[in-house]
Amino acid sequence: SQQGEEDPQALSIQEGENATMNCSYKTSINNLQWYRQNSGRGLVHLILIRSNEREKHSGRLRVTLDTSKKSSSLLITASRAADTASYFCATDLGTSYGKLTFGQGTILTVHP
Amino acid sequence: EAGVAQSPRYKIIEKRQSVAFWCNPISGHATLYWYQQILGQGPKLLIQFQNNGVVDDSQLPKDRFSAERLKGVDSTLKIQPAKLEDSAVYLCASSLLPGLAGYNEQFFGPGTRLTVL
Repeated sequence: SQQGEEDPQALSIQEGENATMNCSYKTSINNLQWYRQNSGRGLVHLILIRSNEREKHSGRLRVTLDTSKKSSSLLITASRAADTASYFCATDLGTSYGKLTFGQGTILTVHP
Repeated sequence: EAGVAQSPRYKIIEKRQSVAFWCNPISGHATLYWYQQILGQGPKLLIQFQNNGVVDDSQLPKDRFSAERLKGVDSTLKIQPAKLEDSAVYLCASSLLPGLAGYNEQFFGPGTRLTVL
């Protein structure tokens, strides 16, 4: 079963707008990661946030984590057409071997 | 730094045939993963190796799927016999040992798109 559930399933915005995607999970985690997948570059790691962190930034990306609500959000600011892709959250439950469980993903379309 | 290599990129077979996929992880990565990604879904872990050993194969359909990682480097995933529902993209990923790195960022290969007719 999927540990993470992304919301919305699809998001369509104009270039320059911000895009926010949410991820909810069911059990306690060690860390949560966001990945992007497009046809050109495959599945690529974007950012990792540990369970003791609340917010993290990387370039135009901002990730928040609320462990009390078991949820995370990914904000992409000033979006570009090149950000068009599927975005997945993946949870690490803290097993010794670092197993990740991926959600269903959010399909983001950025119109030029 | 070379990424994760996979071959073939595409494969079309008929049901009940067999097929094999190959993966070469990033040099020095002890952990190797095989995922199945059905269209419209997220990747689902099939099997995870740490060096030569299997650490998780709980979601591998063992009656038809098998995987090995000889010498702790390259890996092959085999399906025999294939079913229509096996049509998917098969992704290989690798990472440093989570305990060593402190985290487990995974690096993915381009995938093999399998179509079973």
